[in-house]
Amino acid sequence: DAGVTQSPTHLIKTRGQQVTLRCSPKSGHDTVSWYQQALGQGPQFIFQYYEEEERQRGNFPDRFSGHQFPNYSSELNVNALLLGDSALYLCASSSFVWLSNTGELFFGEGSRLTVL
Amino acid sequence: QKEVEQNSGPLSVPEGAIASLNCTYSDRVSQSFFWYRQYSGKSPELIMSIYSNGDKEDGRFTAQLNKASQYVSLLIRDSQPSDSATYLCAALNNAGNMLTFGGGTRLMVKP
Repeated sequence: DAGVTQSPTHLIKTRGQQVTLRCSPKSGHDTVSWYQQALGQGPQFIFQYYEEEERQRGNFPDRFSGHQFPNYSSELNVNALLLGDSALYLCASSSFVWLSNTGELFFGEGSRLTVL
Repeated sequence: QKEVEQNSGPLSVPEGAIASLNCTYSDRVSQSFFWYRQYSGKSPELIMSIYSNGDKEDGRFTAQLNKASQYVSLLIRDSQPSDSATYLCAALNNAGNMLTFGGGTRLMVKP
């Protein structure tokens, strides 16, 4: 059973560029949450997708957008990259119902973005 | 006040000692709390959950919740070098559908 898979694992961009990160959730999961983790910090919630809709959003600007596909996979897009967007981007999958009961998120290994 | 707060550490303990990790929370989260462990360069993994006041034990780990003081802790008995990691405290939001994480505490267990 494949866990949560993310791609790419590492990427380097320059300021002003755009980036797309991809995530495939664990089998049986229908909800994808995206988190940004800066070096030495805890994960910060960006947004959550369920049933192909954005259900929750954290305190991130509109430059951050996402999408969920019918197969539950998801993309995170960041436009007009800033130096401060350099971070590890974590995708976490869960069952929408089960999350409230267990609080268990299954994380991918992350995509490390460096903005120069 | 942030929703979930932790001392960033590092917390250094000798092998075999008890490591005590602490977390405080605000009224903006629910009463469901979780401890995740994150090894350097890896993704977080769930190790403990606690919902009720008091203690919950699982092997060498004990989670403690004090709702009156809005305080959650994780005790690791007989600490091992392999326990060296960052420990993240997390809480469910009041709607029960999103986790908020603290900044994490880095634990170093010295042989």
